[in-house]
Amino acid sequence: EDQVTQSPEALRLQEGESSSLNCSYTVSGLRGLFWYRQDPGKGPEFLFTLYSAGEEKEKERLKATLTKKESFLHITAPKPEDSATYLCAVRWGINTGNQFYFGTGTSLTVIP
Amino acid sequence: DAEITQSPRHKITETGRQVTLACHQTWNHNNMFWYRQDLGHGLRLIHYSYGVQDTNKGEVSDGYSVSRSNTEDLPLTLESAASSQTSVYFCASSQDRGTGELFFGEGSRLTVL
Repeated sequence: EDQVTQSPEALRLQEGESSSLNCSYTVSGLRGLFWYRQDPGKGPEFLFTLYSAGEEKEKERLKATLTKKESFLHITAPKPEDSATYLCAVRWGINTGNQFYFGTGTSLTVIP
Repeated sequence: DAEITQSPRHKITETGRQVTLACHQTWNHNNMFWYRQDLGHGLRLIHYSYGVQDTNKGEVSDGYSVSRSNTEDLPLTLESAASSQTSVYFCASSQDRGTGELFFGEGSRLTVL
């Protein structure tokens, strides 16, 4: 059973067309949900950490929110340079050490 | 600037050969990790280390080993490479165990023929 599911798998937006990416999780005892950005041929780059339902974080055109079972990454008025794959990851439980479950990502393309 | 570097960036090898992927970080982080990334799967943890002489198995550790003799390096060894180990491998480090902020290298693409 997948612990982290991201949707949609791929998203194409016109420049300026706002949208949201979804990350839903089934783990209990969440100890953090994390968003990363990955450009082609590169390693993931950390964006946000969310720890509790209702928490929000913002960075430029990106805003991440968290509920009890999912997180959204809202992209406001995206630009072509926002094109990337966005990954979410969760850490949970007490005895899982520093293990994260990563989702498979949403590939975002912003068309000029 | 501090960084994390992986080498080689690309490698082709044959089934049964031993392969070592290098990872070197200058962040002075205690925590280091190896992940593999495959289509249809998220990043999956292979091994991790919380400090010198400490190593731990991750979700997909079979066929892989690591050693940590200093803070800066965590080499990943495939003892006998298999075609199922064809993948992109990422090394990462973090400042402390509680953080979710991992600093990733640029990846090593390994092809096992």
